[in-house]
Amino acid sequence: NAGVTQTPKFQVLKTGQSMTLQCAQDMNHNSMYWYRQDPGMGLRLIYYSASEGTTDKGEVPNGYNVSRLNKREFSLRLESAAPSQTSVYFCASSGQGSNTEAFFGQGTRLTVV
Amino acid sequence: GENVEQHPSTLSVQEGDSAVIKCTYSDSASNYFPWYKQELGKGPQLIIDIRSNVGEKKDQRIAVTLNKTAKHFSLHITETQPEDSAVYFCAASTGNNNDMRFGAGTRLTVKP
Repeated sequence: NAGVTQTPKFQVLKTGQSMTLQCAQDMNHNSMYWYRQDPGMGLRLIYYSASEGTTDKGEVPNGYNVSRLNKREFSLRLESAAPSQTSVYFCASSGQGSNTEAFFGQGTRLTVV
Repeated sequence: GENVEQHPSTLSVQEGDSAVIKCTYSDSASNYFPWYKQELGKGPQLIIDIRSNVGEKKDQRIAVTLNKTAKHFSLHITETQPEDSAVYFCAASTGNNNDMRFGAGTRLTVKP
């Protein structure tokens, strides 16, 4: 089982460039999430999608946009990258109901110079 | 909103010893407390969780305790092994993953 797959694994951007991080899950989960992980700060939720066709802001949405393309895919876009967006980004998915396990992808390490 | 604090930030133990990681939370409405293990270069993976109607839960060498009155919960790993070396995150939520808040993480090193 592939689980949650993210691409790319590594990326270096120049300030002002744009890029899209891709995420796909094969577990038929309704909910999908994008987190960023910074040293000493744990994981912080950027955006989430509770079901196909819906997206909502998390803790730190500024500078990002998302698209829930279909039930499997949830992408994160940086329109104009800034050095403060240097981070490791994780996509996750979970099934229906409360308190359900979240499954994470392997992460994308993004550096903005 | 919820605030989760986790201690210590780093922990080094000898193989076979026990390790304890502690977390506190601020929102009394939180009722779900998962623990994630993150190995180098990988995403976090759920290792154990506890709900507010339970005070303790065990799974082989891993146990979690919850004190709702004091708003703290702890992860206990007994008979540690080198493969337990990883970063561990605690988290708290009111039941929806979209309001889950994570602690800053504890880097556990188990020395052979």
